[in-house]
Amino acid sequence: QSALTQPPSASGSPGQSVTISCTGTSSDVGGYNYVSWYQQHPGKAPKLIIYEVTKRPSGVPDRFSGSKSGNTASLTVSGLQAEDEADYYCCSYGGSNNWKVFGGGTKLTVL
Amino acid sequence: EVQLLESGGGLVQPGGSLRLSCAASGFTFDSYAMIWVRQALGKGLQWVSGISASGGSTYYADSVKGRFTISRDNSKNTLFLQMDSLRAEDTALYYCARDTTMDFWGQGTLVTVSS
Repeated sequence: QSALTQPPSASGSPGQSVTISCTGTSSDVGGYNYVSWYQQHPGKAPKLIIYEVTKRPSGVPDRFSGSKSGNTASLTVSGLQAEDEADYYCCSYGGSNNWKVFGGGTKLTVL
Repeated sequence: EVQLLESGGGLVQPGGSLRLSCAASGFTFDSYAMIWVRQALGKGLQWVSGISASGGSTYYADSVKGRFTISRDNSKNTLFLQMDSLRAEDTALYYCARDTTMDFWGQGTLVTVSS
């Protein structure tokens, strides 16, 4: 059960946009539209910000958006704000033998 | 308000056992699948196990298969994780989360496996 691949870090200035990638295989990211993204601030539990590739839960700002192309999913944060500085994790359904697989996480720094 | 409260963590020797609980409130527990996720200190998230709403289907990461058992008591709105043959690499903060989307998370319970 290999983890999904995310860049370890990303950064941007306030107001800018940043995109975080999440690369898997045709057995997980590429095979299903069940990619989700989580935001985790230090010392806090993760928070769901995107599910089923593009959907936002109630209360999540529309500055957060998700997409997928082939085996790679992406999270875009537009109009960066200081409070967006956090760790971000992708997760995909991987079939009945690999129900859930997470990415290694990306630390987003707002410069 | 959805609430998930984990308990049962602690210090255990290698080879020992622990049983984690996750008490749920604020939603219809027996309508949702539930999931356990763990996070070693300073590391990323790792899916551990999942269970269907009825409890009839269970899923495990390869790293815990045969050692951990997930279960639920829908009459008591509680999720469990029985952890046997614990190893040092099982040391982590264990979270329970609601639904396959993991839309709500508890605050976690710390498991430390050490002699």
